[in-house]
Amino acid sequence: GAGVSQSPSNKVTEKGKDVELRCDPISGHTALYWYRQSLGQGLEFLIYFQGNSAPDKSGLPSDRFSAERTGGSVSTLTIQRTQQEDSAVYLCASSWGPQETQYFGPGTRLLVL
Amino acid sequence: ELKVEQNPLFLSMQEGKNYTIYCNYSTTSDRLYWYRQDPGKSLESLFVLLSNGAVKQEGRLMASLDTKARLSTLHITAAVHDLSATYFCAAPSNYGGSQGNLIFGKGTKLSVKP
Repeated sequence: GAGVSQSPSNKVTEKGKDVELRCDPISGHTALYWYRQSLGQGLEFLIYFQGNSAPDKSGLPSDRFSAERTGGSVSTLTIQRTQQEDSAVYLCASSWGPQETQYFGPGTRLLVL
Repeated sequence: ELKVEQNPLFLSMQEGKNYTIYCNYSTTSDRLYWYRQDPGKSLESLFVLLSNGAVKQEGRLMASLDTKARLSTLHITAAVHDLSATYFCAAPSNYGGSQGNLIFGKGTKLSVKP
């Protein structure tokens, strides 16, 4: 079946602009996660959605970052007033539930000029 | 706060040789995950180890978990070039009651040379 999909695959933006990254999880997966991967910081957790519960936002690095998940499916990660240090690959993953194997999407490569 | 450490971070091997990647984690965890990442690609799930003493094998890779020592190993047998990739271990974070997100090691970049 279809895996996790993300769009866009690449995004180049100017410092100070807002960007939106989209994630379509595997159908039926109740848990959805956002991570980012950069050379300096490795793989970092950002935010986690589980069903209809309030999201775990403990990994968001600043209030410029926000995410929502509509209808328990598609999720959008928004970065406002982008900074150069936001340049990274943003990975989305989904799973049947917490503690289950997470399946990762192909990522969005973000470059802030 | 859970910390996950892998070593070595870089590993250059010759084809046909055996080697082990180590993954230590700092707090109690009942499961451990291994992922593979090829350059420019996303993470592919390799193994999930669910209990103390768990061992899983797939081809030339074998993973094990010792929850008492807080140690997992990924053993490579008779390496071949196709195994060249970066391997990550990860454990679930229980911080703040969240049971979902993973804490990853820094990854081991494996290069298998003829």
